[in-house]
Amino acid sequence: GAVVSQHPSRVICKSGTSVKIECRSLDFQATTMFWYRQFPKQSLMLMATSNEGSKATYEQGVEKDKFLINHASLTLSTLTVTSAHPEDSSFYICSASLPGGPDTQYFGPGTRLTVL
Amino acid sequence: AQSVTQLDSQVPVFEEAPVELRCNYSSSVSVYLFWYVQYPNQGLQLLLKYLSGSTLVESINGFEAEFNKSQTSFHLRKPSVHISDTAEYFCAVSSIQGAQKLVFGQGTRLTINP
Repeated sequence: GAVVSQHPSRVICKSGTSVKIECRSLDFQATTMFWYRQFPKQSLMLMATSNEGSKATYEQGVEKDKFLINHASLTLSTLTVTSAHPEDSSFYICSASLPGGPDTQYFGPGTRLTVL
Repeated sequence: AQSVTQLDSQVPVFEEAPVELRCNYSSSVSVYLFWYVQYPNQGLQLLLKYLSGSTLVESINGFEAEFNKSQTSFHLRKPSVHISDTAEYFCAVSSIQGAQKLVFGQGTRLTINP
């Protein structure tokens, strides 16, 4: 149980276009979803926290107008990278959690974004 | 705020040898501690955690970690590794009041050689 999927797994886009990444909890309802970014050989950095039906909370330094997060249901959150540029190329990972303890976070397999 | 340091970016070991992956953290408040494993082309999976109680915690596949508050460490150990342990290992912390927000270390790539 507790499976989280992401789609697409890889995406290549041209500079200036927008890209949407989906994160789904397949067998549970997630009250909270998290979006992380991972640069090569670096740690996962939390970008934002989203709760179903409310606005996402962004970490310091993350542009909320560039990284649009929508958490429309208890099983789906989307991250849209708007007007993508090469420096946005990265590995984006989502996680979904159940209410309760800190060990109830389940991670998706990640999406590799390459902006040309 | 919290920070996590994994001192070794890569650790190569031979099969059946012991291994230790080091993790140190910094925090002004009490924290929970985690080790996550990421196998190739897969998402992160929780390996083990320390929330409270016994400072030595174990996973189902033979790994263990010990919380050392005085040294602010949570090193991961296994007495005898297997080829299948090849993966990226991430240490993470969260404040006990932190709304599940995880702070990760840089990761350690464990490579097992036959």
